Amino acid sequence: QAVVTQEPSLTVSPGGTVTLTCGSSTGAVTSGHYPYWFQQKPGQAPRTLIYDTKNKHSWTPARFSGSLLGAKAALTLSGAQPEDEAEYYCLLSYSDGRPVFGGGTKLTVL
Amino acid sequence: QVQLVQSGAEVKKPGASVKVSCKASGYTFTSYYMHWVRQAPGQGLEWMGIIHPSGGSTNYAQKFQGRVTMTRDMSTSTVYMELSSLRSEDTAVYYCARNPGGMDVWGQGTTVTVS
Repeated sequence: QAVVTQEPSLTVSPGGTVTLTCGSSTGAVTSGHYPYWFQQKPGQAPRTLIYDTKNKHSWTPARFSGSLLGAKAALTLSGAQPEDEAEYYCLLSYSDGRPVFGGGTKLTVL
Repeated sequence: QVQLVQSGAEVKKPGASVKVSCKASGYTFTSYYMHWVRQAPGQGLEWMGIIHPSGGSTNYAQKFQGRVTMTRDMSTSTVYMELSSLRSEDTAVYYCARNPGGMDVWGQGTTVTVS
């Protein structure tokens, strides 16, 4: 099984910009991995922010965007708000049909 | 409105089995497959498997092969996840989430405690 890697923690200032990344042990992440990004706050179920690399749901704040950056998937937050403090997980799909979650990034807005 | 409603919390002894349900409403049950994801206390998300309600086909994470069974009941628009030979490490919150559509709807989660 592939290993999906994320930064364990990141800090961003209010109003600042931060990029979270998601890598795969099998090589470069491509659109064929259909990267997903989830936000989870304590005591809540995860909610999907980004799917298929860059698609947003109706509830996804415009300040979040998804992309491919080098060999990784990326989630960029531009104009961080206090309410963005949360755990963020990526999910990558593989050819065996068994997607794998990253370990999560704890984002602090400080 | 579209929702997934899961069954209530469970407490099981080691070695037992647990069966968690996820009842879908507000959409065509057979048009979306269902993922199962779990989260142990203080840990990250873990993908367990997927079932397509239309044909009942499944695909399980290697880690759970032989221990997990996902089924569906078309008459009640419900999917089930049964995990056997429970051990303490299976203590977690178990979620269902539908796809395609970007895993847009999640169940509220079911806490399973193995003790």
